[in-house]
Amino acid sequence: RKEVEQDPGPFNVPEGATVAFNCTYSNSASQSFFWYRQDCRKEPKLLMSVYSSGNEDGRFTAQLNRASQYISLLIRDSKLSDSATYLCVVNSGGATNKLIFGTGTLLAVQP
Amino acid sequence: NAGVTQTPKFRVLKTGQSMTLLCAQDMNHEYMYWYRQDPGMGLRLIHYSVGEGTTAKGEVPDGYNVSRLKKQNFLLGLESAAPSQTSVYFCASSYHLYEQYFGPGTRLTVT
Repeated sequence: RKEVEQDPGPFNVPEGATVAFNCTYSNSASQSFFWYRQDCRKEPKLLMSVYSSGNEDGRFTAQLNRASQYISLLIRDSKLSDSATYLCVVNSGGATNKLIFGTGTLLAVQP
Repeated sequence: NAGVTQTPKFRVLKTGQSMTLLCAQDMNHEYMYWYRQDPGMGLRLIHYSVGEGTTAKGEVPDGYNVSRLKKQNFLLGLESAAPSQTSVYFCASSYHLYEQYFGPGTRLTVT
């Protein structure tokens, strides 16, 4: 079983749609959780951290369910500029901040 | 601030040749990382460093060596390149357990 699993997609959605991505992780000792965004042929960039209480940043909402070991990202009112690959990232649980990356979910927002 | 920079951006090597990839960061981060990204595999950690003069193996260290002689620089060496090392290489840095900042990547092809 992969340490971090994501649906690779692609998710093809029209502008203005709401889309949700889920991710599961296997290491119950993980303490830090993130969503990174990666544009085509670019480096990953932090989109948002994920907190136990859930957090929102504009159109983006991230939630964590520790009991079920899954993380979600909700994007409301999708924009063309949201088209990218979204990487679910989990800390390894150790003291050295090793991050385990999912393979990513590709989102394509259509006009 | 330039953030994280990588040189070179592109390189083509023949099997058996050697090369060094340079990563530099100007954020005074203690932690630095080298990843490789292959289709369908996600980002995989090659080596990392938790401070000047220290290095440690990641998930896929074979065939690579690293050095961190200065806090701001992290070098990745390939002593005898193989076609299996064709990949996109990303360097990242972080301040302990916070977000990792990535460089723009190096696209390496080994023929």
